[in-house]
Amino acid sequence: DTAVSQTPKYLVTQMGNDKSIKCEQNLGHDTMYWYKQDSKKFLKIMFSYNNKELIINETVPNRFSPKSPDKAHLNLHINSLELGDSAVYFCASSKLWETQYFGPGTRLLVL
Amino acid sequence: AQSVTQPDIHITVSEGASLELRCNYSYGATPYLFWYVQSPGQGLQLLLKYFSGDTLVQGIKGFEAEFKRSQSSFNLRKPSVHWSDAAEYFCAVAGTDSWGKLQFGAGTQVVVTP
Repeated sequence: DTAVSQTPKYLVTQMGNDKSIKCEQNLGHDTMYWYKQDSKKFLKIMFSYNNKELIINETVPNRFSPKSPDKAHLNLHINSLELGDSAVYFCASSKLWETQYFGPGTRLLVL
Repeated sequence: AQSVTQPDIHITVSEGASLELRCNYSYGATPYLFWYVQSPGQGLQLLLKYFSGDTLVQGIKGFEAEFKRSQSSFNLRKPSVHWSDAAEYFCAVAGTDSWGKLQFGAGTQVVVTP
């Protein structure tokens, strides 16, 4: 069974479009995260939710809006996509602030 | 705020040889420390972690790491590298008061030659 899953795995879209990435975890964790990995493979946290409450909100353009409908899901909606949004987006989950387990990533390419 | 430095961007090692990847961190207290591995086109897999206690930590795939407070280091080692160990390795740190915010190093790419 996949512990942390993301959909879609690949996303190719045009500039200006709006897209969403979904994340689900079946580990029973209460904290979920979004990370962005750029073309140089640098990983940076974007958001964190604990029990559906936003805990970490890094310096991210407000075109990015996370939403957590329940503890097992954390979605990322991106408005007005720009070329610079092209990256790999990873979802992760943990129990409280302990070890984070990562999903397989969503590779976003904005043309 | 915490930070992590991985001094080696790229390491080439022969199959069967030993491997050591360096990681230095900056944090006011003892942080939580992690090593993750990312194979090409894959997600991140946890190799090992240090929270407290024994400073020599054993992980999966034959890896170990040693926490040295005096040197602010958490170096990763493997005695004998296999071709399947070719990947990107990330050291990460989380402060005990950072709400789980992981700070990653820039990564070290490991190439394994026959």
